[in-house]
Amino acid sequence: EAGVTQSPTHLIKTRGQQATLRCSPISGHTSVYWYQQALGLGLQFLLWYDEGEERNRGNFPPRFSGRQFPNYSSELNVNALELEDSALYLCASGRKAYNSPLHFGNGTRLTVT
Amino acid sequence: QKEVEQDPGPLSVPEGAIVSLNCTYSNSAFQYFMWYRQYSRKGPELLMYTYSSGNKEDGRFTAQVDKSSKYISLFIRDSQPSDSATYLCSSGGDYKLSFGAGTTVTVRA
Repeated sequence: EAGVTQSPTHLIKTRGQQATLRCSPISGHTSVYWYQQALGLGLQFLLWYDEGEERNRGNFPPRFSGRQFPNYSSELNVNALELEDSALYLCASGRKAYNSPLHFGNGTRLTVT
Repeated sequence: QKEVEQDPGPLSVPEGAIVSLNCTYSNSAFQYFMWYRQYSRKGPELLMYTYSSGNKEDGRFTAQVDKSSKYISLFIRDSQPSDSATYLCSSGGDYKLSFGAGTTVTVRA
């Protein structure tokens, strides 16, 4: 079974630009979660999609947005990039609803200069 | 207050020792609990998943949950240098999943 795949692996942007990160869930998983892992801050919840709908959102500004496509893959967009957005962005998928264990991809390392 | 609190360590033990990791959670609505292992430059890997109080064993790993005290534990028996990693506890329910900050463990050969 193929795991959660994320692209790109690394992304370098300058302040003020936009970044788009992509995630393909494990086959059969309908839920996709996005987390930010900044140095020393642990995993911070960003967004949760299930069956194409946004189910929950973490305490991040509106310039962090995303969507889930009919094939359950997902995209995270970060607008007006700031230096403090530099982090590892992790995508995870789960089978259904909220009580499914999550399986993570290896993340996209975003660097904002 | 964070919903899941975890001592960040670091924790250093000799090979063969028992590693004991602990977390507490504050949200009574949380119904399920997980432990993840994260190696450097990799995503977290699911180790244990449970939704009830009590113990769950898988090989050298034992997860323990006490819902009455909102306490989560992970024990690693006969620890190996390959167990050196960051361990994350998580708890969730009602469309919410929170993680602890992670404990960095080093097993010395």
